[in-house]
Amino acid sequence: QKEVEQDPGPLSVPEGAIVSLNCTYSNSAFQYFMWYRQYSRKGPELLMYTYSSGNKEDGRFTAQVDKSSKYISLFIRDSQPSDSATYLCAMSAGASGGSYIPTFGRGTSLIVHP
Amino acid sequence: GAGVSQSPSNKVTEKGKDVELRCDPISGHTALYWYRQSLGQGLEFLIYFQGNSAPDKSGLPSDRFSAERTGGSVSTLTIQRTQQEDSAVYLCASSLVGAGIGEQFFGPGTRLTVL
Repeated sequence: QKEVEQDPGPLSVPEGAIVSLNCTYSNSAFQYFMWYRQYSRKGPELLMYTYSSGNKEDGRFTAQVDKSSKYISLFIRDSQPSDSATYLCAMSAGASGGSYIPTFGRGTSLIVHP
Repeated sequence: GAGVSQSPSNKVTEKGKDVELRCDPISGHTALYWYRQSLGQGLEFLIYFQGNSAPDKSGLPSDRFSAERTGGSVSTLTIQRTQQEDSAVYLCASSLVGAGIGEQFFGPGTRLTVL
């Protein structure tokens, strides 16, 4: 079992839909959680960064962390065709867990069609 | 300013040949990371540099893989005696603060194909 599990999709939604992307993990030491967006033939770019459990909102994007369930989510409201990309979750334990180097999920391919 | 750049963007090589991949980080970034992204797989950590030293090289898959960084700037990842399973996109990232703490800025990657 991989430390971080993420459904690769693809996930196809109509423009304007609410998108839910999820990851599960097994390492209880993880406490830093990130979402990256990667367009085709580009490197990933950091979208959201959260520490420990709770919610964080940034414009149309909301990140949720439930450490008790070892489950994180990224919600995209009013999705746009320009949101079509691969979304990778990543997480790290930090100093107490031995490393800040993130462990990445496989990525979920999102397609938003007009 | 300029982002992280990598060269070449694409590399096709024959099995058994050596290849060198280059990364130019953002100026002033002390930390540099190499990752590998295979088809359908997540990013696999290879090695992390702080300045010119590599505190964490735990992700290098075999002794055919090596990396160096000079002048606290440019880094080269070398793969010797390439194998078909080495085919992947090799991504480099840099950050202002090291050890994975700071935001990592990624380059576009080098797509390596081993025939």
